[in-house]
Amino acid sequence: DAGITQSPRHKVTETGTPVTLRCHQTENHRYMYWYRQDPGHGLRLIHYSYGVKDTDKGEVSDGYSVSRSKTEDFLLTLESATSSQTSVYFCAISESNREQETQYFGPGTRLLVL
Amino acid sequence: GENVEQHPSTLSVQEGDSAVIKCTYSDSASNYFPWYKQELGKGPQLIIDIRSNVGEKKDQRIAVTLNKTAKHFSLHITETQPEDSAVYFCAASIYGTASKLTFGTGTRLQVTL
Repeated sequence: DAGITQSPRHKVTETGTPVTLRCHQTENHRYMYWYRQDPGHGLRLIHYSYGVKDTDKGEVSDGYSVSRSKTEDFLLTLESATSSQTSVYFCAISESNREQETQYFGPGTRLLVL
Repeated sequence: GENVEQHPSTLSVQEGDSAVIKCTYSDSASNYFPWYKQELGKGPQLIIDIRSNVGEKKDQRIAVTLNKTAKHFSLHITETQPEDSAVYFCAASIYGTASKLTFGTGTRLQVTL
C-alpha cells in the first residue's frame, strides 16, 4: 500500500455526529487525495491536497472538509454525518515528477452512518 | 468535466482465455490513463498505465491500447488465471494537474476453471 495507512478501518456512527478519518503516509509525497467508492459510481474524488495547508475540492466535496497540517497526515471530516455518506473511503498519494504521475491507494475505511 | 464510461460491468471468462475491458472518455485534453485492479476488501492497485504519446503498452500478460481519435482505451488480459478475478477500474486525467483522476464504474472479472 505504498506506505499508506488509514484509520479507523471500520466505523459505525449515527446521523448528525461528526466523524474524522485519518490518512497517514510515510514517504513524504506532496499530493494526497480522498475518494469515496459506491456501487455503480466507481471512485469519486472528494478533496485533494498539494501541500501542507494547500487543499482543493473534488467532484463530491459537499458535506466534507479536509485538513493537512503535516506532510504525512491528511484528515477527512464529515461535520454532521448523513446516511448518504455511508461508503468506503480511500486515501491515495501521488508520486508526481516530470517523468511519472501515479496514484497509490490505501486500504480503505468502511463507514456506516445509521 | 471529464466523464469515463466503462464496459462491460461484469465479465466471465474461462481460465486461459483472453479478457477485454473497454473505456471511453469525453475530455480530449486527457492524456494519462491508468488501470487499477481491486481485490475484495482492498484498495485499488495500479496494474498498468499509458500516456497519450503512445498507442499501446504491454506488461507480460497485460496490455493497454489507446485510440486518441476515438477517445477510447482498452485493457487486454491474455491467458487469464483465477487470480485475475477482481474488479478492474479505468481512469483518465490530465497529466500535470495533480492527477485528478476520473474513474470508470468498474468491471467485475471472474475467471472460471
